[in-house]
Amino acid sequence: AQRVTQPEKLLSVFKGAPVELKCNYSYSGSPELFWYVQYSRQRLQLLLRHISRESIKGFTADLNKGETSFHLKKPFAQEEDSAMYYCALRGGSQGNLIFGKGTKLSVKP
Amino acid sequence: DTGVSQDPRHKITKRGQNVTFRCDPISEHNRLYWYRQTLGQGPEFLTYFQNEAQLEKSRLLSDRFSAERPKGSFSTLEIQRTEQGDSAMYLCASSIRRDSYGYTFGSGTRLTVV
Repeated sequence: AQRVTQPEKLLSVFKGAPVELKCNYSYSGSPELFWYVQYSRQRLQLLLRHISRESIKGFTADLNKGETSFHLKKPFAQEEDSAMYYCALRGGSQGNLIFGKGTKLSVKP
Repeated sequence: DTGVSQDPRHKITKRGQNVTFRCDPISEHNRLYWYRQTLGQGPEFLTYFQNEAQLEKSRLLSDRFSAERPKGSFSTLEIQRTEQGDSAMYLCASSIRRDSYGYTFGSGTRLTVV
């Protein structure tokens, strides 16, 4: 079964500290992985996708097929990074995304 | 085009009543998805359409739920005989086919069943 696990419900760091939001997935084929973010009182929006290997707002994520992980990282957290972060998986020929339960990132001044 | 629109934003209904939500996707997007999100959970897939065809339905979508996309444009999600367990945020998203850009989400409709 396809599954996305985000083990931390809440991650609290100080401004300027490094951040790593963990995401592990379960899928036997070649997955597509995404990170979505939801800022307070805003809609869910795409942050980045593994296929593009891009850095958005200083965040990066590398797909590690051996560890079935897609952790989100940022070297220096900013207060405006405080939000809910969801990891999502799309496997095979499916169209739909499967989301994790999310991690709330709180960046303190 | 201002993105994905959902109407209403909030709906309070009595248990046993029927409710209908509407989603207007981005005009050039031919895929439309419905998700449900409850407190502390990520979005859970309900169903999706490619144009007017409903291609997949989750087991979460009981027979009290029905979704349509009659002309491949807007979509409606109806819940009949609502139950308190139906209280949730209902999210709509759209995308261009099965592209790797992921989805564009609407703001959602928050349903409260009392």
